[in-house]
Amino acid sequence: EAQVTQNPRYLITVTGKKLTVTCSQNMNHEYMSWYRQDPGLGLRQIYYSMNVEVTDKGDVPEGYKVSRKEKRNFPLILESPSPNQTSLYFCASSLVAPKGANYGYTFGSGTRLTVV
Amino acid sequence: KQEVTQIPAALSVPEGENLVLNCSFTDSAIYNLQWFRQDPGKGLTSLLLIQSSQREQTSGRLNASLDKSSGRSTLYIAASQPGDSATYLCAGPVGGSYIPTFGRGTSLIVHP
Repeated sequence: EAQVTQNPRYLITVTGKKLTVTCSQNMNHEYMSWYRQDPGLGLRQIYYSMNVEVTDKGDVPEGYKVSRKEKRNFPLILESPSPNQTSLYFCASSLVAPKGANYGYTFGSGTRLTVV
Repeated sequence: KQEVTQIPAALSVPEGENLVLNCSFTDSAIYNLQWFRQDPGKGLTSLLLIQSSQREQTSGRLNASLDKSSGRSTLYIAASQPGDSATYLCAGPVGGSYIPTFGRGTSLIVHP
């Protein structure tokens, strides 16, 4: 089944303890992206990647890191989590057509992160 | 920064009504427009994807249209059911950018 898989689904952690949220897709998509969703603020893009070893900042990159060493994986790293990073996180992917168009986005099921 | 606006922000209707959800974007240079459904605390499920060369797409009771010249897309839900209750979001790479811009969503409640 074609899908984007995020792990873990739920995570409670303490301030300052490094964590990684994994994202993997099995559709050979070039484009992958991380979003956070907060009440009243909608979806905000954290980082995105157009292909292996190509990453760029989104609208709210502070406090996050990403890497794209393989096409299928795009982990989100919080080096020193803080309570304001408590949120619902989504990973998404898509194919990239010539001239930059895409064929629509597939989203993971989300990771609910709580930082205390 | 390009914007995508969804109106209304919230909608509560009785079962059986036909509904129109609106999505407008600030730049007509758009590759495609995608409609999603999101249940509370869950992920986004793709409903319909309209390419820039198309005018509409249909799936069951759902019909989405795209009018690039006016910068608008509409999602039409026929004969609404309580199971349609969810938040509906639209998104597209607008303004010539590849990166999608999301609307804030329309929260729909269909009551029996």
